[in-house]
Amino acid sequence: GESVGLHLPTLSVQEGDNSIINCAYSNSASDYFIWYKQESGKGPQFIIDIRSNMDKRQGQRVTVLLNKTVKHLSLQIAATQPGDSAVYFCAENPHGAGGTSYGKLTFGQGTILTVHP
Amino acid sequence: KAGVTQTPRYLIKTRGQQVTLSCSPISGHRSVSWYQQTPGQGLQFLFEYFSETQRNKGNFPGRFSGRQFSNSRSEMNVSTLELGDSALYLCASSLPPAGEQYFGPGTRLTVT
Repeated sequence: GESVGLHLPTLSVQEGDNSIINCAYSNSASDYFIWYKQESGKGPQFIIDIRSNMDKRQGQRVTVLLNKTVKHLSLQIAATQPGDSAVYFCAENPHGAGGTSYGKLTFGQGTILTVHP
Repeated sequence: KAGVTQTPRYLIKTRGQQVTLSCSPISGHRSVSWYQQTPGQGLQFLFEYFSETQRNKGNFPGRFSGRQFSNSRSEMNVSTLELGDSALYLCASSLPPAGEQYFGPGTRLTVT
């Protein structure tokens, strides 16, 4: 049959604006989450992670928010720059990061972020 | 510290052939995971190795296999290639018990 590609959500922002990328995860047992950035022709690049015992974590220009009640994750990028243009993925790990870590991540479909100068 | 390296970066094969892809993890990382990325299915987990043992396996046919060596380097093999196996194959390494995985640049496999 015909292969249908994923229709990725897109977000377009102006340089300097703040960006918010959302992700709904599926497994209520997941207790570890990661955001990745993937530029064209490259592998995913680790941005920030959060464990389920937290609801917010901040990095350099990025903040991740976790709402376990509605199984929702968001990535906020402050003062977005053209270099932030990429596909952003959230990933969940049902085995978490405590104790033995099983390297099986389940990825979301991704969001295309385009930053206009 | 050097990142995850994958070889080759690009590969063209014919249907029915087999292929072996290689991954060298970040120094000190003992867990290696493999993923397939396609426009239609996104990023999908293939399998994970830790201390030369497969710890977890995704939902792929038995034509997909892998192994890990004592130095943590890993290989994956795909036998009897199909057109649908055309994809970017990504390798990621991590240092348990920490969860963050670091990805290599991938191997772009094209099956004709």
